[in-house]
Amino acid sequence: DGGITQSPKYLFRKEGQNVTLSCEQNLNHDAMYWYRQDPGQGLRLIYYSQIVNDFQKGDIAEGYSVSREKKESFPLTVTSAQKNPTAFYLCASSIGTSEGSEQFFGPGTRLTVL
Amino acid sequence: AQSVTQPDIHITVSEGASLELRCNYSYGATPYLFWYVQSPGQGLQLLLKYFSGDTLVQGIKGFEAEFKRSQSSFNLRKPSVHWSDAAEYFCAVALMDTGRRALTFGSGTRLQVQP
Repeated sequence: DGGITQSPKYLFRKEGQNVTLSCEQNLNHDAMYWYRQDPGQGLRLIYYSQIVNDFQKGDIAEGYSVSREKKESFPLTVTSAQKNPTAFYLCASSIGTSEGSEQFFGPGTRLTVL
Repeated sequence: AQSVTQPDIHITVSEGASLELRCNYSYGATPYLFWYVQSPGQGLQLLLKYFSGDTLVQGIKGFEAEFKRSQSSFNLRKPSVHWSDAAEYFCAVALMDTGRRALTFGSGTRLQVQP
């Protein structure tokens, strides 16, 4: 079955540590996205990538980094510079890069900083 | 700045009752409009979308939404709610001609269904 996988489902991190969240898609989609979800705030865009080896900052990119070395993979690193990293992180992809392309979402990773 | 507003944080309806979830956007032109649903701890699933044409759009699970340009609204409706509809609902817009290739989401409305 085609889809988006995120791993792990739950992640715990000590303060000061970097951590990488995985996102893989086998939908052959060009575009991929990372969103952060906090209670009562909806989803906020962290980074997005329209093509391999290219990505753009979203609304809340500070303290995060990404790479897009392969079409199917778009890992997100939460660095120690992120002041409040505890949140639910959602990865998405879309077949095209036009504004109307439907985004498909993965199941999410819940990150907790201890 | 462009924004999406969902004025109702939490709504409770009885099973079998009708439902309307509100969404307003602030943008100079007509954006692409979407409604997504999220079950607890899960990703988002697309319910329906509006790009152009007929302002009443049908989606999955018996949902529909109506685009009203004069009110900058895209409200989601369902004539008869089922207990399985309990979830969080997000309205989102894709902003045309801005170069931004991602969605802007509202803060969500949590739906509770009473038996």
